[in-house]
Amino acid sequence: DAGVIQSPRHEVTEMGQEVTLRCKPISGHDYLFWYRQTMMRGLELLIYFNNNVPIDDSGMPEDRFSAKMPNASFSTLKIQPSEPRDSAVYFCASSLGFRDGVYGYTFGSGTRLTVV
Amino acid sequence: QKEVEQDPGPLSVPEGAIVSLNCTYSNSAFQYFMWYRQYSRKGPELLMYTYSSGNKEDGRFTAQVDKSSKYISLFIRDSQPSDSATYLCAAGNSGNTPLVFGKGTRLSVIA
Repeated sequence: DAGVIQSPRHEVTEMGQEVTLRCKPISGHDYLFWYRQTMMRGLELLIYFNNNVPIDDSGMPEDRFSAKMPNASFSTLKIQPSEPRDSAVYFCASSLGFRDGVYGYTFGSGTRLTVV
Repeated sequence: QKEVEQDPGPLSVPEGAIVSLNCTYSNSAFQYFMWYRQYSRKGPELLMYTYSSGNKEDGRFTAQVDKSSKYISLFIRDSQPSDSATYLCAAGNSGNTPLVFGKGTRLSVIA
């Protein structure tokens, strides 16, 4: 398995532009998570899905952020309009959920977003 | 207060040293405890997993949980330059709720 695949790896955009981050989870994993990582705040959970259904989006910072999971193999995180304070590394992770007491997450390599 | 607290470091040690990385947590319902390792420009990867209190050993790595004091530790013996990374602790209370991560401790092992 190729693991969790995220694209793009790097994104530089101007303030006010729309940004779309993409994620392909591991086949068979029924949980998908979007995280944001900064030096100041560490890893912050933005939203997670179970079987393509959003379960908790309380970590989404503002209405400018939205996420979708139209099917089991694809998810997007969209920021519109983007702001400089959105600059961070965005990670997608997937998980089998609870299986025999082990439910580690597999993370993608992240998208490094810079908003200028 | 965050549910999982971790000293961000940085921590710098000579090769061969024993490294101790620590976290504290506040939620008594946490039952599962994990350590993730994150190399520069990469995503975190699962390193160790423990359930409830006790120790777990895997090669040079030992994970320890003390639920009475809400303390999580990771020990690295005979540390190597390849261990240089950020180490994140995480805790969870069931398979249906997300893990809570610490901020991570940046470790450098100097040859």
